[in-house]
Amino acid sequence: QVQLVQSGAEVKKPGSSVKVSCKSSGDTLNIHAISWVRQAPGQGLEWMGGIIPLSGTVDYAPKFQGRVKIIADEFTRTVFMELGSLRSEDTAVYFCARGAAATLFNWFDLWGQGSLVTVSS
Amino acid sequence: ENVLTQSPGTLSLSPGERATLSCRASQSVNSNYLAWYQQKPGQTPRLLIYGASTRATGIPDRFSGSVSGTVFTLSISRLEPDDFAVYYCHQYGGSPLTFGGGTKVEIK
Repeated sequence: QVQLVQSGAEVKKPGSSVKVSCKSSGDTLNIHAISWVRQAPGQGLEWMGGIIPLSGTVDYAPKFQGRVKIIADEFTRTVFMELGSLRSEDTAVYFCARGAAATLFNWFDLWGQGSLVTVSS
Repeated sequence: ENVLTQSPGTLSLSPGERATLSCRASQSVNSNYLAWYQQKPGQTPRLLIYGASTRATGIPDRFSGSVSGTVFTLSISRLEPDDFAVYYCHQYGGSPLTFGGGTKVEIK
C-alpha cells in the first residue's frame, strides 16, 4: 500500500524559509499530482499549490504566489514544498496530498502524515 | 476564487440521528467537482465523497452526497459514535482549489 511520508517538525525564525519533503513509498508520482495543504492550529484546510511530476506543471494559490515553490524529484519519488518569508501566521501543519490522477483538478485520495512548522522568534 | 461556505458551524446530535451538512459555493463548481472529507483530532483528512455524490472506497452507505445548483449536501443517515468529527467540503473544479471552513458534528 502506497504511503506518503513527510519530513519531521521544524521550528523557524520569522523571515526565514522552510522546506518540507513528501516521499512516496511507491511509484505514484508518474500517475498522480501532489498538492500541499496546510492547517493552522484549530483552523480549517487551505490549499497552497500543487505539481504534476510527470509534466512539471505547477500551480499556486494566489495567496502564496511568490513565496512558495513546489518541486518534484522523480528519482527519489519525493516532492518538496519550500515556503519563504515566514511569519508567525505560517505556523501550521503542512500536509502533502495525492490527487486521484495526473491532474491538479482532482480530489485527494491519500495524505501524508503532516509536518508541523512553528514560526517563532 | 470559489468560496465555499459550510453550515452549520457545529451540529449537535445524538447517535442514531440523521446529520445534514451544507456547503454553498460562491460560483458554479465545474462538473460538480466537489469532495467531502472527515477529520478527527490529530488525524489526517479522510476522503468520503467525490464528484459530489460518489462514495470513496470503503465508505459505508450511510454517507451520501447530493447537489442542487451551487449547494452541496452531505448526509449521514444514522450517526454512529465514530462519525463525530469535523467535515470539510472541497472544490477541485478550478484554481485555486478551495475548502470550506468545516462543520463539527458533536455528540449532544
